[in-house]
Amino acid sequence: LAKTTQPISMDSYEGQEVNITCSHNNIATNDYITWYQQFPSQGPRFIIQGYKTKVTNEVASLFIPADRKSSTLSLPRVSLSDTAVYYCLVGDSNSGYALNFGKGTSLLVTP
Amino acid sequence: DAMVIQNPRYQVTQFGKPVTLSCSQTLNHNVMYWYQQKSSQAPKLLFHYYDKDFNNEADTPDNFQSRRPNTSFCFLDIRSPGLGDAAMYLCATSREGSGSFLNEQFFGPGTRLTVL
Repeated sequence: LAKTTQPISMDSYEGQEVNITCSHNNIATNDYITWYQQFPSQGPRFIIQGYKTKVTNEVASLFIPADRKSSTLSLPRVSLSDTAVYYCLVGDSNSGYALNFGKGTSLLVTP
Repeated sequence: DAMVIQNPRYQVTQFGKPVTLSCSQTLNHNVMYWYQQKSSQAPKLLFHYYDKDFNNEADTPDNFQSRRPNTSFCFLDIRSPGLGDAAMYLCATSREGSGSFLNEQFFGPGTRLTVL
């Protein structure tokens, strides 16, 4: 499974756009990139998944360059409730559904 | 609402006393997972079921066992809990992937285990 590297923590003010970049240099051809969000004392929650280029949903955007060795989760206009840990994961169903969560990025949003 | 339910939310056990954590789902997903998450750490996959096929992660201690009697229920048995097993235990489900696509995992709220 491809290993991922993310910043340990990030700070932002309310209303700003936050971009969290994840490195996955040894991503395999079949691997998808998935991001989860976790609040304290809760289970992780799926945010977005992509394979290449750009994916957007009602919560976030995911930018993946052509070489796919990194990806960037973009959260538009964050609010205090976006304070959470964000995990980047890389994998595919052919690997047996194993999901290895990296260390994650702890995002703190302040007024 | 369809969901993943974990009981109990908080469990206290004594060192060495067997404990069972339960998970149920109303999503009718065929893949179920158990994760261990220690304080300030990322979730660590212990094992997963693809239907009734059990898949153990290589570094999951033998002290941890699991049962899946039917699609809806999955149990985590810790045969002889040690102090180091105190953690949040998360159950998750997903549909099988479509080709290489890994389907979204739906997590339960977790069971926080304390070992005295």
